[in-house]
Amino acid sequence: EPEVTQTPSHQVTQMGQEVILRCVPISNHLYFYWYRQILGQKVEFLVSFYNNEISEKSEIFDDQFSVERPDGSNFTLKIRSTKLEDSAMYFCASSPWETQYFGPGTRLLVL
Amino acid sequence: AQKITQTQPGMFVQEKEAVTLDCTYDTSDQSYGLFWYKQPSSGEMIFLIYQGSYDEQNATEGRYSLNFQKARKSANLVISASQLGDSAMYFCAMRAQEIQGAQKLVFGQGTRLTINP
Repeated sequence: EPEVTQTPSHQVTQMGQEVILRCVPISNHLYFYWYRQILGQKVEFLVSFYNNEISEKSEIFDDQFSVERPDGSNFTLKIRSTKLEDSAMYFCASSPWETQYFGPGTRLLVL
Repeated sequence: AQKITQTQPGMFVQEKEAVTLDCTYDTSDQSYGLFWYKQPSSGEMIFLIYQGSYDEQNATEGRYSLNFQKARKSANLVISASQLGDSAMYFCAMRAQEIQGAQKLVFGQGTRLTINP
């Protein structure tokens, strides 16, 4: 059964560094998302992406964040200058329409 | 704005018993979807079940069923014959369906379910 994959599974970075989180959505899906989950808290929406452009972004998704679909398969989230409060689990999800299928997540730790 | 409320931070159930996880929602949308996801300790988010707001019948998927009461704005998850592997965090989520395109999910705080042997 096709799955959403994410790399890396874990990343440790220094405050102020740039990180790129990578996702490979399910191949015939059209809609892509990034969410984050700070430890012990609920899952929060960051951004949605369709037809090669951002559909919606949350107030969390400020100028430090960007998303790209550089080729037909990958979907990336870049954080330009990480802050301590960016430490969280980041989930990529994709959907054909209704149901969003999540990847296993990337656990980001900013020191 | 949409809101999901899960009032049970934790639940403890004996193996093989049925369990109901509560979820209430608030929305002004006429058309919407409700979802349940399971998050085991390993961290991934596993889709369990979906209910559309216009669906007449309650959704079922194996041991999972969704008790949808539209007038009460509730979408409780029922797990029958619980198993040790059901121990996990469970999230209720909602998605607006009014507009075409990528629609975000809004999540509740989650309920941590522990199944005791």
